[in-house]
Amino acid sequence: QVQLQESGPGLVKPSQTLSLTCTVSGDSITSGTYFWSWIRQPPGKGLEWIGYIFHSGNTDYNSSLKSRVSLSVDRSKDQFSLKVNSVTVADTAVYYCARTVFGVPYLDLWGQGTLVTVSS
Amino acid sequence: EIVMTQSPATLSVSPGERATLSCRASQRVINLAWYQQKPGQAPRLLIHGTSTRATGIPARFSGSGSGTEFSLTISSLQSEDFAVYYCQGYNNGPPLTFGGGTKVELK
Repeated sequence: QVQLQESGPGLVKPSQTLSLTCTVSGDSITSGTYFWSWIRQPPGKGLEWIGYIFHSGNTDYNSSLKSRVSLSVDRSKDQFSLKVNSVTVADTAVYYCARTVFGVPYLDLWGQGTLVTVSS
Repeated sequence: EIVMTQSPATLSVSPGERATLSCRASQRVINLAWYQQKPGQAPRLLIHGTSTRATGIPARFSGSGSGTEFSLTISSLQSEDFAVYYCQGYNNGPPLTFGGGTKVELK
């Protein structure tokens, strides 16, 4: 079955760049009409959608983060990636990647999540 | 940007009882989804398109509503249903917006 797995450093220093990758297994990232999203959840808090990317490279972002976030896709590796620039302690969160159904988007398949802590 | 407001923040329920969770949008949404999250786990899709259960979701979960008012009902609460539930709305463009969540706890 299709699975998503996040990977990347668990600790990032303030003002640096947070970088995470999501690997899709069990299917191609180009199959079907899916977007691929990143969502985050600060400890003990709710969910915040960061943005999504299509396999063509088209993207959309949450306006609250747009100035600091970029998404990219590597079709040859069935991976998509997230970068958040100039991080602060407020960016400490569990980061999830998720498959997003196109059209009236909802998130039908999630990775297990990875905790990223911003600390010096 | 749409704001999704869930109520109550916490719902105390006994096993076998019915639970109804509410979600209100600040403007009309064209898709409403519900997710369940247990401690230490990723959210899991329960309902999309307001009332369509996702694959493998038991029939005791049902969604309803339209426009700006939506609800999730668990007809007879099982022990595995104690969790936090999030609604997520969408209206003709990003972002996808989540509510603050309702925690369903053991009474």
